[in-house]
Amino acid sequence: EAGVAQSPRYKIIEKRQSVAFWCNPISGHATLYWYQQILGQGPKLLIQFQNNGVVDDSQLPKDRFSAERLKGVDSTLKIQPAKLEDSAVYLCASSLDRILLYNEQFFGPGTRLTVL
Amino acid sequence: AQTVTQSQPEMSVQEAETVTLSCTYDTSESDYYLFWYKQPPSRQMILVIRQEAYKQQNATENRFSVNFQKAAKSFSLKISDSQLGDAAMYFCAYWAPSGNEKLTFGTGTRLTIIP
Repeated sequence: EAGVAQSPRYKIIEKRQSVAFWCNPISGHATLYWYQQILGQGPKLLIQFQNNGVVDDSQLPKDRFSAERLKGVDSTLKIQPAKLEDSAVYLCASSLDRILLYNEQFFGPGTRLTVL
Repeated sequence: AQTVTQSQPEMSVQEAETVTLSCTYDTSESDYYLFWYKQPPSRQMILVIRQEAYKQQNATENRFSVNFQKAAKSFSLKISDSQLGDAAMYFCAYWAPSGNEKLTFGTGTRLTIIP
């Protein structure tokens, strides 16, 4: 079974530029998560989707970050415009269904973003 | 709000020895799960072990075991017979089926294996 795929693996941009990250979850997984992992910290949830609907985006900086999962499969996370403090690893994860009692999340390899 | 604390930023252990990583958490929930995740330098997070709060028996997965002290809200990971491949960041995490269902991570412990 293929795991969670993410691209690109690395991205370097200048501040105020835009960037987009792509995630393809495990086939059949209804729930998709985007995390931000700043160096030296644990991952922090940015947004959670159930199929193509948003479950939780309370920690997403909505003035610059946006995410979509239009067909309930792939997802894109965008930052526009980027700030220096956005430098981090962006992790995508998926799980079978959030309504299950135990909902193991499977993580992708992440995208390392450097904002100069 | 739930919080997860890992007080050991770095740990090291000789190959084949045993090491224990510490984690404490704070919650008012009675039903929850605790996890240890491993993140090697390639960055892919892998689940190592999980513990359901309602189970009194400590979880074990091969060389990995936990010491779950519910009253003390402590959840440590013991790695026996440490191997070079165990070198990674280890994150303790908490999840509750009620509330906002958010997976909350600690700040991690970097484990180095000394050959």
